[in-house]
Amino acid sequence: GQNIDQPTEMTATEGAIVQINCTYQTSGFNGLFWYQQHAGEAPTFLSYNVLDGLEEKGRFSSFLSRSKGYSYLLLKELQMKDSASYLCAVRDSLSNAGNMLTFGGGTRLMVKP
Amino acid sequence: EPEVTQTPSHQVTQMGQEVILRCVPISNHLYFYWYRQILGQKVEFLVSFYNNEISEKSEIFDDQFSVERPDGSNFTLKIRSTKLEDSAMYFCASSLTSGDGETQYFGPGTRLLVL
Repeated sequence: GQNIDQPTEMTATEGAIVQINCTYQTSGFNGLFWYQQHAGEAPTFLSYNVLDGLEEKGRFSSFLSRSKGYSYLLLKELQMKDSASYLCAVRDSLSNAGNMLTFGGGTRLMVKP
Repeated sequence: EPEVTQTPSHQVTQMGQEVILRCVPISNHLYFYWYRQILGQKVEFLVSFYNNEISEKSEIFDDQFSVERPDGSNFTLKIRSTKLEDSAMYFCASSLTSGDGETQYFGPGTRLLVL
C-alpha cells in the first residue's frame, strides 16, 4: 500500500522562499511527481524525481531522498499567483502497469503580500 | 499547446441515473486515465487504459463503472447507476507512454453532482 503525508496548509510572504515537504511509505517506488492545483481546476505538472537529488526548473525545485522516503518542493521568489494546493504523487513500480499515481492530500499554500 | 479536454464541465443527475463523462486526450498520447476528487479530499486513481483495454484499476472502480474509447479521439467514463457518494470532480488524464518519468496531463475536470 501507499501512504503519502504532506502538511495541510502553509502561509508565506510574497517574494520569500517556501519549502513544502512530502514523506511517503510505499510498497514500490518508481518516481515522485509534484503538481500544482488551483481551486476548482485541474492539477498541472510541476516536476518529477526518480533519482536522489535536486531537480531545478526556474523558480521551482524538487528534491528526493529515496532512502528516507522524503521529497520537498521549493518555491522561490513567491508570487501571489503561487497561492494554490501542491500535490505530491508517487508512482508505484509494483502496480500492474506502473502507471498509477497515488496522491497525497495536498498542501494549500497561501501567499500574502 | 495540446491539452486534454473534458465535457461537460458540470453535470447534475438524479441518484440511480446513468452518466457518461467524456474526454478527448492529447492526440498522440497512448495511455489514458480517470481520477476523481471528492470535494476537500485527495485525488484518487480510478482506472488506466491502453490499447483498448483496462491496464489497471482501483478498488473504487467497481462494476458500476466502465470506460470506453468509442472512436479515435474520445475516451469515456460511464457510471451506470449513480450514488450520492459519486459526487466529485472527475479528471481525465493522458500520457504518451508509461515509461519512467512520463508525465500525466490532466484535463479541466467534470464536476458531477448526484442528488
